[in-house]
Amino acid sequence: QQQVKQSPQSLIVQKGGISIINCAYENTAFDYFPWYQQFPGKGPALLIAIRPDVSEKKEGRFTISFNKSAKQFSLHIMDSQPGDSATYFCAASSGSGYSTLTFGKGTMLLVSP
Amino acid sequence: ETGVTQSPTHLIKTRGQQVTLRCSSQSGHNTVSWYQQALGQGPQFIFQYYREEENGRGNFPPRFSGLQFPNYSSELNVNALELDDSALYLCASSRDLAGEAYGYTFGSGTRLTVV
Repeated sequence: QQQVKQSPQSLIVQKGGISIINCAYENTAFDYFPWYQQFPGKGPALLIAIRPDVSEKKEGRFTISFNKSAKQFSLHIMDSQPGDSATYFCAASSGSGYSTLTFGKGTMLLVSP
Repeated sequence: ETGVTQSPTHLIKTRGQQVTLRCSSQSGHNTVSWYQQALGQGPQFIFQYYREEENGRGNFPPRFSGLQFPNYSSELNVNALELDDSALYLCASSRDLAGEAYGYTFGSGTRLTVV
């Protein structure tokens, strides 16, 4: 059972454009929602994270929008750059007992020059 | 501050064999989690170790086992390898189970191929 659904599977955006990746979750116990960036041959690296008590969080060109009632959250990358080309994973955790991450299947982003 | 290091980076094993993967945690981190990332998929939680004890486990069979040592380094052992075990194995460390508060640091992984 996939608890975090991510879309699209792949995305091509022109340089300077906005990249949008969406995720939906099922488990209402989730209370921490990070986004990870992974380059080929590397492990995932934390990009930005949000908790459900806020609807939006912005760090530089990266923004998370969170809709608790819809159980959805999204990553917006403004002014996308070729260096942003990577695979992006949304994740969620509940922090109860042992804190572990449930990941989406990932979105492969390609920013064309 | 050192990050998470994993060894080896690549490994090829034959079906039925056993394998041991190693992970050195980031300095100051005492919690280690292992994840399996199949090609084109997101990482899946295998188990977590805190203070040398298994603290939680995902949906993986008992032939996946682990250890955490007093210096917080860790091992992942897989017995009776199957072709479906071919994947990137990731180690992530954090402080005091508080991955949400302090963040998880992932290593670059070990690419295991079972033939």
